[in-house]
Amino acid sequence: ETGVTQTPRHLVMGMTNKKSLKCEQHLGHNAMYWYKQSAKKPLELMFVYSLEERVENNSVPSRFSPECPNSSHLFLHLHTLQPEDSALYLCASSQEASGSYEQYFGPGTRLTVT
Amino acid sequence: EDKVVQSPLSLVVHEGDTVTLNCSYEVTNFRSLLWYKQEKKAPTFLFMLTSSGIEKKSGRLSSILDKKELFSILNITATQTGDSAIYLCAARGDSGAGSYQLTFGKGTKLSVIP
Repeated sequence: ETGVTQTPRHLVMGMTNKKSLKCEQHLGHNAMYWYKQSAKKPLELMFVYSLEERVENNSVPSRFSPECPNSSHLFLHLHTLQPEDSALYLCASSQEASGSYEQYFGPGTRLTVT
Repeated sequence: EDKVVQSPLSLVVHEGDTVTLNCSYEVTNFRSLLWYKQEKKAPTFLFMLTSSGIEKKSGRLSSILDKKELFSILNITATQTGDSAIYLCAARGDSGAGSYQLTFGKGTKLSVIP
């Protein structure tokens, strides 16, 4: 148990659905991240929030919309996804201000788009 | 474009063997290199390396960084079946868009057989 939780753990959605992934960290960190892990591809950093402000957006399609209401919670809103968006979506957090950069990952949400 | 290359991509060894996993990187304004272990869930942090030539150890695992040659190795001695996992290497650089650019390699899949 790393102190980062994600819900749901599995999600199947159609291309016209709207859903949200949730991440919560209990580590007192002030930076949170969304990653996408597709089969046979490296982990891809999608979004970074620091102190609740988005500081990085790695050319992610607009059908993915992040939200960070406070330093403990991070959401990823999904709408009109494509089958190629099926992947494991990982949330992570770190204590950026400490100078240490260990990122602690949640268990991930396995997303299947039909 | 930032790049992290790991080798080998897969490796099968017998229990008790020693293995060396390789990671080379090219990132803008390199800051640190991280190793993770990923089993059937989210990556687990192993090491963060920022200085050349200083070995970090944790039990049977050790890692070292060479900033001149732009590579790192992860050694596992006296391997056990529980070491079977994908080992991910990630390099952190400062791309100017913020200090959070983290690029992952594809990983090395290690299988330890009894």
